Amino acid sequence: NAGVTQTPKFQVLKTGQSMTLQCAQDMNHNSMYWYRQDPGMGLRLIYYSASEGTTDKGEVPNGYNVSRLNKREFSLRLESAAPSQTSVYFCASSEGSQNNEQFFGPGTRLTVL
Amino acid sequence: QKEVEQNSGPLSVPEGAIASLNCTYSDRGSQSFFWYRQYSGKSPELIMFIYSNGDKEDGRFTAQLNKASQYVSLLIRDSQPSDSATYLCAVEMDSNYQLIWGAGTKLIIKP
Repeated sequence: NAGVTQTPKFQVLKTGQSMTLQCAQDMNHNSMYWYRQDPGMGLRLIYYSASEGTTDKGEVPNGYNVSRLNKREFSLRLESAAPSQTSVYFCASSEGSQNNEQFFGPGTRLTVL
Repeated sequence: QKEVEQNSGPLSVPEGAIASLNCTYSDRGSQSFFWYRQYSGKSPELIMFIYSNGDKEDGRFTAQLNKASQYVSLLIRDSQPSDSATYLCAVEMDSNYQLIWGAGTKLIIKP
């Protein structure tokens, strides 16, 4: 039981390059989330998927796209990376009802030059 | 804009003392409140959650909720150096169960 896994752990991109961050969970959770964490700003929600087949924008969706591939997998794509997207990205999952704990993956440290 | 506010710290506490961490929130309709711990370079992990006014105890940790004053706190008794971390307060939105996060309080336990 691996919980929430993310790949890659580290990535360096040049401005304008694209990449996809992968996330998978093996807890049979309905809901999945993508956050970014910047120093002094806490976790900000980029996109979430309340259930398989649905995705919705969070607080900071500009410059990102997501795909809920199936119940287990939720990917985040940067089409044209910008230095402002340098951050630590966390994927999380939860059962999707009230009082549910969100479980986090180990994170991806992304630097855009 | 729904907000969650925490003192960024660092909060320095001697080993064995009580550490008190506070969080205020703006949405009066919020029902559930979570405390996560995040070690440097690691992902957040849940310590406890609370949804009723009053105190909830779990080992050395006590969460306190006052909905009238819109604040939630976390007390850590007999603080240990291993408690040194950033503590994140999260408030659950009633409409869709998303969490709104505070920026975190950095806690340092001095031996």
